[in-house]
Amino acid sequence: SQTIHQWPATLVQPVGSPLSLECTVEGTSNPNLYWYRQAAGRGLQLLFYSVGIGQISSEVPQNLSASRPQDRQFILSSKKLLLSDSGFYLCAWSVGRAGANVLTFGAGSRLTVL
Amino acid sequence: DQQVKQNSPSLSVQEGRISILNCDYTNSMFDYFLWYKKYPAEGPTFLISISSIKDKNEDGRFTVFLNKSAKHLSLHIVPSQPGDSAVYFCAARSGGSNYKLTFGKGTLLTVNP
Repeated sequence: SQTIHQWPATLVQPVGSPLSLECTVEGTSNPNLYWYRQAAGRGLQLLFYSVGIGQISSEVPQNLSASRPQDRQFILSSKKLLLSDSGFYLCAWSVGRAGANVLTFGAGSRLTVL
Repeated sequence: DQQVKQNSPSLSVQEGRISILNCDYTNSMFDYFLWYKKYPAEGPTFLISISSIKDKNEDGRFTVFLNKSAKHLSLHIVPSQPGDSAVYFCAARSGGSNYKLTFGKGTLLTVNP
C-alpha cells in the first residue's frame, strides 16, 4: 500500500533562518507531488506541484522553493524565513490524470517563525 | 480571487441529525468536486467526490449534491456522529489542469452528543 511521510512534524525557527521540509512517498511510482500551506484562518493554498523529477511548478510568488531530486521525494526550502511563512505545511501525492485526482495528504509540518 | 467559497466558517448540529455543509464556486471549468475532512494537527483525508456531469453521489452516511446552474454543491451527513466533528474542505479540479485542486477555506463542524 502507498504511504506518505513528512518531516519534521513541528519546527520553530527564527526569522531569517533557512528551512527544509521533506516528503517521501512509498508504494507508488511517478506520483504527482504537491506542497500546500494552511495559514491561520485560511484554506489550503497550493504552493508547488511536480509531475516528475526536476519538474516544479510554482503557484504563488514567495521566498519558498521546492525541489524533486528523486521520483518519490519532494523538498520545500527557504533560504531566509519570514514571519508570514508560519503555517501548517502539507505534502500530498496523486497518480494519473483520470478521475477526480484525489490527493492523499501527509500528516503535516507545523512551522512557527519567531 | 477565491474560486471555491465556503461561506460558513462553522456549523453545530446535534448527534443523529443531518449536517449540511455548503460550497460555492465561480469557475465553470471545474469538472470534479471533492470533500475532505481534517482533524487538528493532521492532514486532510478524502471523503467523497462528484463529477460535474452528475448531480448526486452517495457513500454511506455521506451524500454530495451538485447544482451546476447555481454553481453550488453541498455535503450531507446523515446521521451525524460526534466523530464527524472536524473541518470540512470543499475542493475543485479544473478540467484544463489535471494536477491541481483548489480548496475552500473550510467549515468547522461540531456534532454535539
